[in-house]
Amino acid sequence: QSVLTQPPSASGTPGQRVTISCSGGSSNIGSNTVTWYKQVPGTAPKLLIYSSDQRPSGVPDRFSGSKSGTSGSLAISGLQSEDEAKYYCAAWDDSLSGVVFGGGTKLTVL
Amino acid sequence: QVQLVQSGAEVKRPGSSVKVSCKASGGTFSNFGISWVRQAPGQGLEWMGGIVPIFGPAGYARKFHGRVTITADESTNIAYMELTSLRSEDTAVYYCARGGFSGGPLDYWGQGTLVAVSS
Repeated sequence: QSVLTQPPSASGTPGQRVTISCSGGSSNIGSNTVTWYKQVPGTAPKLLIYSSDQRPSGVPDRFSGSKSGTSGSLAISGLQSEDEAKYYCAAWDDSLSGVVFGGGTKLTVL
Repeated sequence: QVQLVQSGAEVKRPGSSVKVSCKASGGTFSNFGISWVRQAPGQGLEWMGGIVPIFGPAGYARKFHGRVTITADESTNIAYMELTSLRSEDTAVYYCARGGFSGGPLDYWGQGTLVAVSS
């Protein structure tokens, strides 16, 4: 049972916009920023969004993040086939003094 | 460009220990720290602990307290994760990643090390 809650799956057609949610609590997302990672099967996760809404260099601006209260959100616009992957949210948890992850959302591009 | 290169796959017996290394090149982890994250087969990501050498000792997820030790050798830019009293449920891919401890993003990741625990 993950501390952060994500929907297990999401899908969209090429060109569409999809959103993935991440729900937490006051000790994690409520008091810290949200980070998003993308993982293609068989490879290491890759940083996608940090500080809730910042993109590292090299990440396309089709990816955007936001945070409100105890929830975070990842939006992918102009969906492409290479976006098919599993997406994880994470945050520091002040009560646990550690990083907590969501269970991951498998994104399928139809 | 920071690169993290981990040691190779291991097969261990239940009850034994494993020590995985993570060498950083193209940068140091002294200020950013190193975290260890594991992923059991078909499962999600699980943070085990991390260390920021300039700040002192490592911190660990409660689940692993007493079984895991994370260290970092700043002179060689190598971090280590040792897990003891291995059981079959510890079979997983173990990743090192820069950052994480105290809230920063995990911005660079190692390639992962498969540790299989089997009798």
